[in-house]
Amino acid sequence: GNSVTQMEGPVTLSEEAFLTINCTYTATGYPSLFWYVQYPGEGLQLLLKATKADDKGSNKGFEATYRKETTSFHLEKGSVQVSDSAVYFCALRRGGGADGLTFGKGTHLIIQP
Amino acid sequence: NAGVTQTPKFQVLKTGQSMTLQCAQDMNHEYMSWYRQDPGMGLRLIHYSVGAGITDQGEVPNGYNVSRSTTEDFPLRLLSAAPSQTSVYFCASSYSGAPGRADTQYFGPGTRLTVL
Repeated sequence: GNSVTQMEGPVTLSEEAFLTINCTYTATGYPSLFWYVQYPGEGLQLLLKATKADDKGSNKGFEATYRKETTSFHLEKGSVQVSDSAVYFCALRRGGGADGLTFGKGTHLIIQP
Repeated sequence: NAGVTQTPKFQVLKTGQSMTLQCAQDMNHEYMSWYRQDPGMGLRLIHYSVGAGITDQGEVPNGYNVSRSTTEDFPLRLLSAAPSQTSVYFCASSYSGAPGRADTQYFGPGTRLTVL
């Protein structure tokens, strides 16, 4: 079956530090890959996505590249801000319409001033 | 365009009570789904629907019922609540993917349910 593994944290960084959150996946076929972000007390928001190998998704300074050879989709940001403090979820979804999202367990990111 | 809406935001039930969590979307999405979020578990799929009149089970369907009479609405029913159903529930919707295409799911704000 499908699965997503990501570092669980909490990950604590200082403001302006470089961020990497690792994500690897197992899936049949060619899934689309997503990063969602959940701010305290809120629902999930799509942060970025990639739909095929070597695609790079980017948004708000965050980037992730779909690496089929390593089955990975690591999230990176060059300079984090306090406002980036949230829980980040890596997820995959296979094409075809009937499949839901398979999520990792989430990474709690804490940015200190 | 309200997106995906959920009611109520908070609910406390006693064991054995029943209730319905409401979900609606105004984006004309064919696909709708329910997830539960538990600490350290991420989100897990409960039930989903690929269109009006069509529903199916996800990863953790036991104790929950769904129906889809319209494109817009996808209620989740707890027939006899149990403490193990204490969780945060999220509804999501998307276009149904063509073969090989997985569209983005959009999430509602969630319902925090406590079962005593």
